[in-house]
Amino acid sequence: DVKVTQSSRYLVKRTGEKVFLECVQDMDHENMFWYRQDPGLGLRLIYFSYDVKMKEKGDIPEGYSVSREKKERFSLILESASTNQTSMYLCASSTGSYTEAFFGQGTRLTVV
Amino acid sequence: ELKVEQNPLFLSMQEGKNYTIYCNYSTTSDRLYWYRQDPGKSLESLFVLLSNGAVKQEGRLMASLDTKARLSTLHITAAVHDLSATYFCAVDLLNDYKLSFGAGTTVTVRA
Repeated sequence: DVKVTQSSRYLVKRTGEKVFLECVQDMDHENMFWYRQDPGLGLRLIYFSYDVKMKEKGDIPEGYSVSREKKERFSLILESASTNQTSMYLCASSTGSYTEAFFGQGTRLTVV
Repeated sequence: ELKVEQNPLFLSMQEGKNYTIYCNYSTTSDRLYWYRQDPGKSLESLFVLLSNGAVKQEGRLMASLDTKARLSTLHITAAVHDLSATYFCAVDLLNDYKLSFGAGTTVTVRA
């Protein structure tokens, strides 16, 4: 089974802190994604990566950056956390086109 | 910009009855995915539909894709309590790795 693991289930951070969300997949997938999920808005893509050290902006990249130094690991960075970044963050991976994405368990981030 | 719309957003089902969730999308695509999310949990893949006319069934759920109408349906037969969850459809475009999601349909099955 594909496994996508996010480092934390719950996080509470203070406004202005730098926050790192980590995601690891064990199936040698090329593509990795970070989404945020908010009630009534579905999932919105923040960033994705189709190869090591490659990244592309999604629909809502402002306030975020990413890092992919190894194929299995994709990190989401909140440079200076703000309360409007309180959300559920979901990491996903896929092998490429025509295949479904597999999701991690999610990280519920609260910024106070 | 690819837009994906689901309706209804909320669906209260009576056990034993049949219901349909609709997913419309704005740009030509022949790939559509359905996911299920239980409260507090992550997304689980249900169906992958890869061509016009594709139909897939698993238990009480059946999904179909009409690429000409840009429409997918998720049909629930004889609803049971275990089907209470939020269902998402998602679409991606040719040569694009990104999935665009609908807002989700929250299903509650009552006795």
